[in-house]
Amino acid sequence: GAGVSQSPSNKVTEKGKDVELRCDPISGHTALYWYRQSLGQGLEFLIYFQGNSAPDKSGLPSDRFSAERTGGSVSTLTIQRTQQEDSAVYLCASSYSTGDETQYFGPGTRLLVL
Amino acid sequence: GENVEQHPSTLSVQEGDSAVIKCTYSDSASNYFPWYKQELGKGPQLIIDIRSNVGEKKDQRIAVTLNKTAKHFSLHITETQPEDSAVYFCAAEHNTDKLIFGTGTRLQVFP
Repeated sequence: GAGVSQSPSNKVTEKGKDVELRCDPISGHTALYWYRQSLGQGLEFLIYFQGNSAPDKSGLPSDRFSAERTGGSVSTLTIQRTQQEDSAVYLCASSYSTGDETQYFGPGTRLLVL
Repeated sequence: GENVEQHPSTLSVQEGDSAVIKCTYSDSASNYFPWYKQELGKGPQLIIDIRSNVGEKKDQRIAVTLNKTAKHFSLHITETQPEDSAVYFCAAEHNTDKLIFGTGTRLQVFP
């Protein structure tokens, strides 16, 4: 079946511009996660959506980062006024319910801020 | 805050040898511990997981052990093959709603 998909796969932008990253979770998965992975580093939790509950935004590094999930499915991560330190791979994952269920990851979006 | 420590950061083994990666966690309430494999340019993929009601789980050449008292768990890969070369991440469930990941281990298997 279809897995988690993300778009674009690669994004190059200029410092100061806004970017939007998209995630399509597996159909029927109620939980959706965004992570950031800097070069050669681990996965840094950003934000988590579960059903209709208010999202857990505790991992967002600054107010330039925001995310929404429309209709309980597709999610968009927005980075405003991008900085060079925002360059990283942004990974999305979904799971059937909550944290003790398997998270299935997408291939990621590689963001480069020049 | 809660954290997961993972060692070693890099590991090189000869094909056919075993590889062991160890993780410790801080949240004593954690009950779910997955391991992910990430190949170059791809997202992490689950390879095995364990829950706190068992101490060991095996799947062919891969096994995971869990010591809840000591709060550590380990990944064991036997008869390693070149295609096992990747970055491996451990994780521990936190607050039943998210995973805290280790910093990763880059495994290289030389033919």
